[in-house]
Amino acid sequence: DAGVIQSPRHEVTEMGQEVTLRCKPISGHDYLFWYRQTMMRGLELLIYFNNNVPIDDSGMPEDRFSAKMPNASFSTLKIQPSEPRDSAVYFCASSTRQIPNTEAFFGQGTRLTVV
Amino acid sequence: AQSVTQLDSHVSVSEGTPVLLRCNYSSSYSPSLFWYVQHPNKGLQLLLKYTSAATLVKGINGFEAEFKKSETSFHLTKPSAHMSDAAEYFCVVSGGNTGKLIFGQGTTLQVKP
Repeated sequence: DAGVIQSPRHEVTEMGQEVTLRCKPISGHDYLFWYRQTMMRGLELLIYFNNNVPIDDSGMPEDRFSAKMPNASFSTLKIQPSEPRDSAVYFCASSTRQIPNTEAFFGQGTRLTVV
Repeated sequence: AQSVTQLDSHVSVSEGTPVLLRCNYSSSYSPSLFWYVQHPNKGLQLLLKYTSAATLVKGINGFEAEFKKSETSFHLTKPSAHMSDAAEYFCVVSGGNTGKLIFGQGTTLQVKP
């Protein structure tokens, strides 16, 4: 398996534009997580899915953020409209609850810069 | 509820000396615990994990951690630091029925020559 695949790796956009980040989890994993990492706030869990269903979106900062998982192999995180304070590295991770394989596998991240 | 506290935000050691990164956890359930490492501008890589088997867990690159339930700790150690160990380290707890992962704030390890 190629691991968790995120795209794009880098994104530079202007304030007010829509941004869509994409994630392909590891095949067979039934949990998918979206994290945001900044210097000020560290790693923050934004939302996670189980079997394509959003379980906890309490970390989503505001209504400008939305996430979907239309099927087991694809998820998106959308920011509309984007703001400079959204600049961060966004990580997607996937895991399975089948012990002992309960660790999360992370993608390489998307570095978002909003100017 | 689960939570994790990394007791040091920054640790500095000399190359060849031991490393100790401290982590305390809180969990209402029997937890799974992990240590991840993140090198600059890279993603997160799993170092080791505890999932209710042996309490002393060995990971990659010579790291190990010991689960101590009485102390609610899961400290990460390495006998001899290498320059390539300089990175950010995260202690993570997962537990209960949610599958949710809770990250500590991270510890930056600096290794001096």
